[in-house]
Amino acid sequence: AQSVSQHNHHVILSEAASLELGCNYSYGGTVNLFWYVQYPGQHLQLLLKYFSGDPLVKGIKGFEAEFIKSKFSFNLRKPSVQWSDTAEYFCAVIPDSSYKLIFGSGTRLLVRP
Amino acid sequence: SQTIHQWPATLVQPVGSPLSLECTVEGTSNPNLYWYRQAAGRGLQLLFYSVGIGQISSEVPQNLSASRPQDRQFILSSKKLLLSDSGFYLCAWNPRANTEAFFGQGTRLTVV
Repeated sequence: AQSVSQHNHHVILSEAASLELGCNYSYGGTVNLFWYVQYPGQHLQLLLKYFSGDPLVKGIKGFEAEFIKSKFSFNLRKPSVQWSDTAEYFCAVIPDSSYKLIFGSGTRLLVRP
Repeated sequence: SQTIHQWPATLVQPVGSPLSLECTVEGTSNPNLYWYRQAAGRGLQLLFYSVGIGQISSEVPQNLSASRPQDRQFILSSKKLLLSDSGFYLCAWNPRANTEAFFGQGTRLTVV
């Protein structure tokens, strides 16, 4: 069965620090990849997505992610985090031609001012 | 524009009581519909999805069931709740296969 692994469950950073959250998936075929964010008290929102083309995708609020097919990875990055980036981040995968959007366990990010 | 409504926002139910959570989508037709449960440290677990009226796929055997009586309505039910059914339930939709999903605000269910 397909699965998504997020190895960092809790991350604490100071403002202006760089961020990288890991995401690996297990599926041998073509996939579409997503990062969602859930700010405290808010619903899940799409941060960025990869369907095809340039493996480096840019999302909202200065986030980007890189798809490395050989490593089955889709890591999320931001060069300089802000206090307002405090949230829970979820990686998700949907295999091509599938309806099943599978999520990782999430990473809670706390940014200290 | 499309919107998704999920209610109630919070619910406290005794063990053994029935459950009905409702989700509706507006502004689109024939959406794919999903129910997820979010538990701390475990991410979002896909419970059910539906690609059309009356078509339900179950991902996790459990005490819950889902139904889709209308094109844009998705209902999560239980005949008898268990303590372990407590959690945060999210409804989502997407317009077709492969695409990102859009989420409702969620229902916090506490079984006591």
